[in-house]
Order: sequence, then C-alpha cells, then structure tokens
Amino acid sequence: AQSVAQPEDQVNVAEGNPLTVKCTYSVSGNPYLFWYVQYPNRGLQFLLKYITGDNLVKGSYGFEAEFNKSQTSFHLKKPSALVSDSALYFCAVRASYSSASKIIFGSGTRLSIRP
Amino acid sequence: DAGVIQSPRHEVTEMGQEVTLRCKPISGHNSLFWYRQTMMRGLELLIYFNNNVPIDDSGMPEDRFSAKMPNASFSTLKIQPSEPRDSAVYFCASSFPNQPQHFGDGTRLSIL
Repeated sequence: AQSVAQPEDQVNVAEGNPLTVKCTYSVSGNPYLFWYVQYPNRGLQFLLKYITGDNLVKGSYGFEAEFNKSQTSFHLKKPSALVSDSALYFCAVRASYSSASKIIFGSGTRLSIRP
Repeated sequence: DAGVIQSPRHEVTEMGQEVTLRCKPISGHNSLFWYRQTMMRGLELLIYFNNNVPIDDSGMPEDRFSAKMPNASFSTLKIQPSEPRDSAVYFCASSFPNQPQHFGDGTRLSIL
C-alpha cells in the first residue's frame, strides 16, 4: 500500500531565509510525487511533480523539490522565503503514472513566514 | 479556463436534511475526484471517477453518501440524511490523463 508522511505540522521561517518542508513516501514500484499548496478558503493548487528524470524538480513560485530514492523523500525547498508563501502544503504520491490510480495526500504542513 | 466549479460555496442545513453538492470539471478532463477536508482527519478521498465510471468508492464513509457522474461535465455528491459530523469542506478535483489534479474552491458544509 502506498503512503506519504509529512512529519512536521508546522514550519516557521523568517522572510528571506531558506525553507524546507519535509515529505517521505512509501510505494511499490516507481513513485510519482506531487506538491500542492492551499491558501485560506481555496482549493489545493498544483506546485510541482516528479515523474522521472532529474532529481531536482522546479515548480511554481520559485519552489523546487528534491527526490531522494534511497531516503524515500521528496522535500520541498525554496532558497528565500516570502511572507506570501505562508500557506498549507501537501505532499502526495501515486503508485503509477495514471490518473486512474489513487493519489494519496499527506496530512499537510502549515508554513508560516514571519516578516 | 474557468477551472473546476463547485456549488454551492456554502451550505448550512439542519440534520436529517438531504444535501446535494455539485461539481463541473474542467472541459476535457476524464478523471473526477471528491474529497472531504476536516481539521481532525485532514484531506480524505471519498470517491473517484474515470470516464464517468466510479473506480474506487472505498472512501465513502457510509451508505448515506452517494455520488453520481451522469456525464463528462457534471457530478453530484449527495448526503441523505445529513448529520452534524458530516460538517466539513468538500472538494471536487479533475484531471487529464496522467496530469495533476485541479481543485475547485470547495463547498463549506455545516450541519446543525
């Protein structure tokens, strides 16, 4: 069975500092990994995905994520945080490259950027 | 691109009443998903459709919940009878084959 874990409920970072939001996964076969962001009173928005290829994936709003197969991790990163990055972030995994298979979301990490 | 459209945005009703949530997916998307989000349980997948056919409804909590997709441009999630513990934000999402899901802005449901 596939699963995804976000070990931190909340991450607090000062504006301008680098940020990392952690995600680990468990899946049989090749993982297909995603990050989504949710702003208040809105649905989730897609940030980036890893399907295959380079382990460093670049996405929207200056975010990137690093796929590490040996550590089964897919941490979200940004070199310099903005106050506007404050939101709820979800990591997700799908066991196969098909929208017909179920995508599993993590519990979410609330990112708070202080000015 | 109008995005995924959900209605109503807010619904407040008394327990025992029937509730119907509606979703219009993005045109051309062939997969549709219904989720429920609460503080206690986070984001839960209730059911998903592929080409209008339900593929996995194992997340539907009880027989009080039912979902239909009569055509490619419309889906409903119905709760009958509703209970206070059904209070949550319900999201619909859709996707092209092998592409990330696009979410609507949700229906905030309150059962009194």
